[in-house]
Amino acid sequence: KNQVEQSPQSLIILEGKNCTLQCNYTVSPFSNLRWYKQDTGRGPVSLTIMTFSENTKSNGRYTATLDADTKQSSLHITASQLSDSASYICVVSAGTGGYNKLIFGAGTRLAVHP
Amino acid sequence: NAGVTQTPKFQVLKTGQSMTLQCAQDMNHEYMSWYRQDPGMGLRLIHYSVGAGITDQGEVPNGYNVSRSTTEDFPLRLLSAAPSQTSVYFCASSYSAGTEIEAFFGQGTRLTVV
Repeated sequence: KNQVEQSPQSLIILEGKNCTLQCNYTVSPFSNLRWYKQDTGRGPVSLTIMTFSENTKSNGRYTATLDADTKQSSLHITASQLSDSASYICVVSAGTGGYNKLIFGAGTRLAVHP
Repeated sequence: NAGVTQTPKFQVLKTGQSMTLQCAQDMNHEYMSWYRQDPGMGLRLIHYSVGAGITDQGEVPNGYNVSRSTTEDFPLRLLSAAPSQTSVYFCASSYSAGTEIEAFFGQGTRLTVV
């Protein structure tokens, strides 16, 4: 069964600190992995995409990693800001073409406190 | 740019009532889909469409109907609302080409069935 598991479920950090969110997946066939940010009351918005051949990708203060062998991904947030408070969702795309199914993790709820 | 627009944003229904959640996109995307988001769970696919006139069931289709008469619109109908359908509903759209497809989400409809 295709599954995406995220940890921790929730996290509280102080403004300016760094944090790392984890994503483990069992999805076949693997197409790509995206991290989405979902602000309260809004729809998810893509932060970054990781394909099978990529190990690390950065988008400003966000850095995603992918280990396709262990089927793990992480999202590292550097120098956190209050606006980083949101849910972060790991989404794995399954399929080889056509309509790829998206498998969603339950998300990590991050709260950044001043 | 409007992107993906969902209406209404909030809705309260009585058990047994029917209603239609509206979704429209202005990006000329072929793919559109409906998800529900429940606490502690990842988004789950209800129905999806790969083009006008073509729809298919997702993971949790029971109690919902969809149609796709135009590229822009993809309404979701609840036939006879039940308390188990209390959830936040998201509509998403994406291009059909390539494997690195990004899903664009609407802002969601929070539905409560009493």
